[in-house]
Amino acid sequence: AAGVIQSPRHLIKEKRETATLKCYPIPRHDTVYWYQQGPGQDPQFLISFYEKMQSDKGSIPDRFSAQQFSDYHSELNMSSLELGDSALYFCASSRDTHTEAFFGQGTRLTVV
Amino acid sequence: KQEVTQIPAALSVPEGENLVLNCSFTDSAIYNLQWFRQDPGKGLTSLLLIQSSQREQTSGRLNASLDKSSGRSTLYIAASQPGDSATYLCAVRPSTGDDKIIFGKGTRLHILP
Repeated sequence: AAGVIQSPRHLIKEKRETATLKCYPIPRHDTVYWYQQGPGQDPQFLISFYEKMQSDKGSIPDRFSAQQFSDYHSELNMSSLELGDSALYFCASSRDTHTEAFFGQGTRLTVV
Repeated sequence: KQEVTQIPAALSVPEGENLVLNCSFTDSAIYNLQWFRQDPGKGLTSLLLIQSSQREQTSGRLNASLDKSSGRSTLYIAASQPGDSATYLCAVRPSTGDDKIIFGKGTRLHILP
């Protein structure tokens, strides 16, 4: 069965650089969530989209932006990267808010 | 504000034992509750989903229960195996208009061979 695909799996960037993370949800899933997980931490909600519109926003820095495209894939853009942005970034998708959410394998971002 | 708490934070048990992980949430207005497994540095694997109208779900050696009115869920693992060692996360989907999944901090489980 198709799963949530995230790319790249690993990314190394220098401070002040920009990074773009991509998420391809399961087909026919129109809801996408982005999470950040620091070492030893639980996943922290960043932002969500439903039918290509932002549906909720969490503790996402102003340096980050995200969008969902017409084919339902989503991108998380991170600018002016800081050392503290180093984390695992997860994307999840679900058919709607009532159904099971499936997570991708994550993108490990390392800022040096 | 919905908060999810998991107890214990860490647990070590000998192989073969049955065990229970606990999850509590402060607001009973939820669509569903989901249990996930996470291996170190890896992604989140969905184990069981319980809708708010359901009391329990079973999958193999796993059984999850939900008492929405008291804000509690348990994950029961029967006949534990070393391969069950991982972090188990509980998460709820609020039905109050928030479109997010709210996680607990997880229980780190170690099964001793």
